[in-house]
Amino acid sequence: TQLLEQSPQFLSIQEGENLTVYCNSSSVFSSLQWYRQEPGEGPVLLVTVVTGGEVKKLKRLTFQFGDARKDSSLHITAAQPGDTGLYLCAGFEGTTGNQFYFGTGTSLTVIP
Amino acid sequence: GAGVSQSPSNKVTEKGKDVELRCDPISGHTALYWYRQSLGQGLEFLIYFQGNSAPDKSGLPSDRFSAERTGGSVSTLTIQRTQQEDSAVYLCASRGVTGSPLHFGNGTRLTVT
Repeated sequence: TQLLEQSPQFLSIQEGENLTVYCNSSSVFSSLQWYRQEPGEGPVLLVTVVTGGEVKKLKRLTFQFGDARKDSSLHITAAQPGDTGLYLCAGFEGTTGNQFYFGTGTSLTVIP
Repeated sequence: GAGVSQSPSNKVTEKGKDVELRCDPISGHTALYWYRQSLGQGLEFLIYFQGNSAPDKSGLPSDRFSAERTGGSVSTLTIQRTQQEDSAVYLCASRGVTGSPLHFGNGTRLTVT
């Protein structure tokens, strides 16, 4: 089993603060995706990163894929209450099995 | 429909009973995945279907769990003789070409009493 560890597991911050979520693995992935999940709904894709060292920005969210394609980070600038949710990273291993391996999740609460 | 549809959205069953969970993937998506999620946690892989190939069942936790996909579209996850530890949200996802992202349904919340 290819395990992705996310940290922190829980995060509660005030509106306007910055935060970073980490996703780490000992395995190399073809690509890595970040999803956000709200209560009662399925995860929704935020971004896919493919190239080692790649940085993608989505408004106030910045995603980075590690040079070795084993880890990733999500940085949120000036967090807002609408950012509240469960953030999940998922590594795609395309050479065998076509499986998506999901991280342990980070539950973010942004307090107004 | 435009998205992945799962039914029922909630299911309460007594310990020992069998349950069937249904997933309607996005039309044209050849790959279909089932995951299990405990409260606020990450996703546990259960089973993966790709076209007409034999499914990858490596994530099924016991022989009480089975799944089928008829006609390359609708999938049913069956849990026999349910146990309390089976209580969780069961999520279905589909995707198009290899490497494209997963599209999830809203899940079925299963409670075994």
